[in-house]
Amino acid sequence: AQKITQTQPGMFVQEKEAVTLDCTYDTSDPSYGLFWYKQPSSGEMIFLIYQGSYDQQNATEGRYSLNFQKARKSANLVISASQLGDSAMYFCATSYSGGGADGLTFGKGTHLIIQP
Amino acid sequence: DGGITQSPKYLFRKEGQNVTLSCEQNLNHDAMYWYRQDPGQGLRLIYYSQIVNDFQKGDIAEGYSVSREKKESFPLTVTSAQKNPTAFYLCASSIVGQGQSEQFFGPGTRLTVL
Repeated sequence: AQKITQTQPGMFVQEKEAVTLDCTYDTSDPSYGLFWYKQPSSGEMIFLIYQGSYDQQNATEGRYSLNFQKARKSANLVISASQLGDSAMYFCATSYSGGGADGLTFGKGTHLIIQP
Repeated sequence: DGGITQSPKYLFRKEGQNVTLSCEQNLNHDAMYWYRQDPGQGLRLIYYSQIVNDFQKGDIAEGYSVSREKKESFPLTVTSAQKNPTAFYLCASSIVGQGQSEQFFGPGTRLTVL
């Protein structure tokens, strides 16, 4: 069975600061994927970034980067130059297979609030 | 515009009644999923389907049923056997293949059982 742990229930960050959201995972599969999603108050889930277990480099997508430490089973999300619109719930997830077509296991999320 | 639609946005039902949640996608994705989200929690997988006329149970399938008669549609029925059906239900779809297959989500249906 897979498990995702997000230890920060909530975070307050000043606008324009960088923020790191923690995620640790537990899986016995040699091939897996790690995903981050953003959920605004409207409820929709927005895909942010993906890291494959065999990827050598950390993934980056615009202001988002994933700090992947395989030995520590850690996949932290880094948001650079935070904006007020970044305020939302953030979920880390892992796939049952490398790609994710068998479904995802989600953590409980981190509620990020950006303050002006 | 391509995307996933879920209807209705809000749904109220009496205890003991079955209710069906709609999910339609026009992204030409082979795989579709249903998740449940409770307040303050992450999403949990109910059912998924990688191909028409085939589907698999997720972590919390008890009390739910699905069908996949068309590629574009994956309705979820919440039966009276589901003990705590009040929740936010999210449908998603993705491609099936090697490597990254991020899931695209619909806007969700909030079900309240009175």
